[in-house]
Amino acid sequence: NAGVTQTPKFRILKIGQSMTLQCTQDMNHNYMYWYRQDPGMGLKLIYYSVGAGITDKGEVPNGYNVSRSTTEDFPLRLELAAPSQTSVYFCASSYAEGEQFFGPGTRLTVL
Amino acid sequence: GESVGLHLPTLSVQEGDNSIINCAYSNSASDYFIWYKQESGKGPQFIIDIRSNMDKRQGQRVTVLLNKTVKHLSLQIAATQPGDSAVYFCAENTPSGYSTLTFGKGTMLLVSP
Repeated sequence: NAGVTQTPKFRILKIGQSMTLQCTQDMNHNYMYWYRQDPGMGLKLIYYSVGAGITDKGEVPNGYNVSRSTTEDFPLRLELAAPSQTSVYFCASSYAEGEQFFGPGTRLTVL
Repeated sequence: GESVGLHLPTLSVQEGDNSIINCAYSNSASDYFIWYKQESGKGPQFIIDIRSNMDKRQGQRVTVLLNKTVKHLSLQIAATQPGDSAVYFCAENTPSGYSTLTFGKGTMLLVSP
């Protein structure tokens, strides 16, 4: 199993641009999550999904959107990038509530 | 404020020493706790977990202790090795609808050879 994969690894955006961060898991997990991690800080939950077609906001959802059309994929969309969205983004998945498996992260810089 | 926090942001130890990383949590309803290790440039990696009906759980070279009276969690690493150098996060799960994990800020463990 590849586990949780994320693309791209790095990206630089200009203010106002849009992009989609991709996340795929091959463990048949129902639950998937998006976190952001700012320098020297812990992880903050942006959005999560408990199954295909079901998504919900986390602690810091503003400026982001998600969709979950399949069990495997959980893309994160930034519509109008702002410098405050410069961060490292991690996708994670879990079979149920509890242990989460993380991807390698996407490092995003907005200039 | 954060519901999960750590007492020491950086812990420096010598190779072979035992390390103890502490974590305080504020929600007495939390029923499940996880310790994660994050190496530079990588995603967090599961180390060990414990449920609230337990006080202690042991893994390979790691032990987690849970003190519900004072809402304190600790991770003990025996015979610390340079490869243990990383940031360690505790996370708590609080039952509320669809439960999600709340992460603390993390403690950096530096192991000198």
